[in-house]
Amino acid sequence: GAVVSQHPSRVICKSGTSVKIECRSLDFQATTMFWYRQFPKQSLMLMATSNEGSKATYEQGVEKDKFLINHASLTLSTLTVTSAHPEDSSFYICSARDPTKIDTQYFGPGTRLTVL
Amino acid sequence: DQQVKQNSPSLSVQEGRISILNCDYTNSMFDYFLWYKKYPAEGPTFLISISSIKDKNEDGRFTVFLNKSAKHLSLHIVPSQPGDSAVYFCGHNFNKFYFGSGTKLNVKP
Repeated sequence: GAVVSQHPSRVICKSGTSVKIECRSLDFQATTMFWYRQFPKQSLMLMATSNEGSKATYEQGVEKDKFLINHASLTLSTLTVTSAHPEDSSFYICSARDPTKIDTQYFGPGTRLTVL
Repeated sequence: DQQVKQNSPSLSVQEGRISILNCDYTNSMFDYFLWYKKYPAEGPTFLISISSIKDKNEDGRFTVFLNKSAKHLSLHIVPSQPGDSAVYFCGHNFNKFYFGSGTKLNVKP
């Protein structure tokens, strides 16, 4: 099946720093990627939709200035958590939609962010 | 606004028996549903899908049933295996993909 990678898989940072997470589709070109976060024992929450070549669309309640999304190419989207705080600690997962298989998303393995 | 709901947070089943996971939705416009399986600290993996033109879709041990009038879908796993122990999310793909809250399945050996 299609492969989506995320880097890093785990990151620990100090409060106030910024962290960038990369999401890559390895064997298809993804015009649309999605970013989710999951708190412990909770569901995956859609944060934003990343569209190649245009601005991301954020879900209600998600601060666009805090979670910067860039989709610079058809295989790469990045999520930057700016001025991270302990409450941003979470499991962040991206997914990519294969345009040849519209109704299926392929998920990355996730990134565990811990803010001290 | 939770448009997809999984009301059972957990389910425990004996190996070899049937596991039934349920999902309810609110919007009758939804016409395509997917089930994903997720292990801890990993991303979800696609399991099975169903379109509203069908009421059943089967793939090996996994069968998804769709009841449009009740706005309800269910995932049946027969026979259940210990390796099936994971969190299962249902969701719809109406433009964006929204997950239900998940059901943690534990298959006991």
